[in-house]
Amino acid sequence: RKEVEQDPGPFNVPEGATVAFNCTYSNSASQSFFWYRQDCRKEPKLLMSVYSSGNEDGRFTAQLNRASQYISLLIRDSKLSDSATYLCVVNGGGSYIPTFGRGTSLIVHP
Amino acid sequence: DAGVIQSPRHEVTEMGQEVTLRCKPISGHDYLFWYRQTMMRGLELLIYFNNNVPIDDSGMPEDRFSAKMPNASFSTLKIQPSEPRDSAVYFCASTMLQTGAFEYNEQFFGPGTRLTVL
Repeated sequence: RKEVEQDPGPFNVPEGATVAFNCTYSNSASQSFFWYRQDCRKEPKLLMSVYSSGNEDGRFTAQLNRASQYISLLIRDSKLSDSATYLCVVNGGGSYIPTFGRGTSLIVHP
Repeated sequence: DAGVIQSPRHEVTEMGQEVTLRCKPISGHDYLFWYRQTMMRGLELLIYFNNNVPIDDSGMPEDRFSAKMPNASFSTLKIQPSEPRDSAVYFCASTMLQTGAFEYNEQFFGPGTRLTVL
């Protein structure tokens, strides 16, 4: 089993739609969790950290479920500019090495 | 700050040639990471440094790859000899230890070097 798994997609949604991505991780001792966004032919950039209590940033909501070992990202009212690849990142658990998922591709169309 | 700087942005070379990728981290950051990204394997951590010292190079694919960090503002990743399967985008990232451990901290990526080995 891969350490961090994501559905590669692509998720193809119309503007205004709500879309959710999940990411599962294998190391139960993992301590910190992030979502990064990567635009085509660009570098990854931090979108948001994921806290145990869940957190929201505008149209974006991140949730952590430690019991089931997954994190989620919900995007409401999708914009064309949300089209990108979303990378799940899991850190800690006895290792300092951050582990990136392969990413989930989102395409928002008019 | 200009962010993480990488050069060259694009490199096309022939199999067997030596390739050197360069990175300047954000000033004040004490951790530097080298990643490789391909469609098949995604983003892979190759090696990381703390205060210019290599900490973990278990991700380096083989002896053809080497990395150095002679000072806090410069690092290189060298491939010698290069092979077609080394074709990928190579990212450098840096971060700074804050309270707690660095695994809680944002990594700042450079724009990457797109390497093509013919």
